[in-house]
Amino acid sequence: DVKVTQSSRYLVKRTGEKVFLECVQDMDHENMFWYRQDPGLGLRLIYFSYDVKMKEKGDIPEGYSVSREKKERFSLILESASTNQTSMYLCASSRSGQVLGTQYFGPGTRLTVL
Amino acid sequence: QKEVEQNSGPLSVPEGAIASLNCTYSDRGSQSFFWYRQYSGKSPELIMFIYSNGDKEDGRFTAQLNKASQYVSLLIRDSQPSDSATYLCAVREGAQKLVFGQGTRLTINP
Repeated sequence: DVKVTQSSRYLVKRTGEKVFLECVQDMDHENMFWYRQDPGLGLRLIYFSYDVKMKEKGDIPEGYSVSREKKERFSLILESASTNQTSMYLCASSRSGQVLGTQYFGPGTRLTVL
Repeated sequence: QKEVEQNSGPLSVPEGAIASLNCTYSDRGSQSFFWYRQYSGKSPELIMFIYSNGDKEDGRFTAQLNKASQYVSLLIRDSQPSDSATYLCAVREGAQKLVFGQGTRLTINP
């Protein structure tokens, strides 16, 4: 079974803090994704990576950056957290070269910025 | 960017009945379609996928594609209270990305 883990289930930070969210997958997947999920807005793609050290912006990259130094690990960074970044953050991974491109999700991190 | 639309619901169905969920998509060339289930406070889990070449049945779940009208349906037969969740439709875009709908909240009433 694919396993995607995220570093924290719940996180509370203060405005202006630098925040790191980590995601690790154990299935040697090439692609990794960061989404945020908000009521009424669905899942929105922040960034994704299709290889080590490679990244591409998703639909809402502003205020975020990412890092992928190892294949299994994909980090989301909030350089200076703001209250409008309070959300559920979901990491996902998928294998390249498949016709389908099924994504498998981690358990999520609920971030509150005060 | 492709768009995927779902009625947010809530959709209320009595236990034992058929629940029918729909999703429309904007790109006529789309070929891979996914249904994820998300329980409250949990992350999405894949329940079904179909290609553009046909429908698929898996136990109580059936996914159907209507290419002419550009919508995908998920039918849940013999609905159970444990089926109460939000169902997310997703369509593949490009080589790696999925575009998700907003999700339909389904409630199965005992």
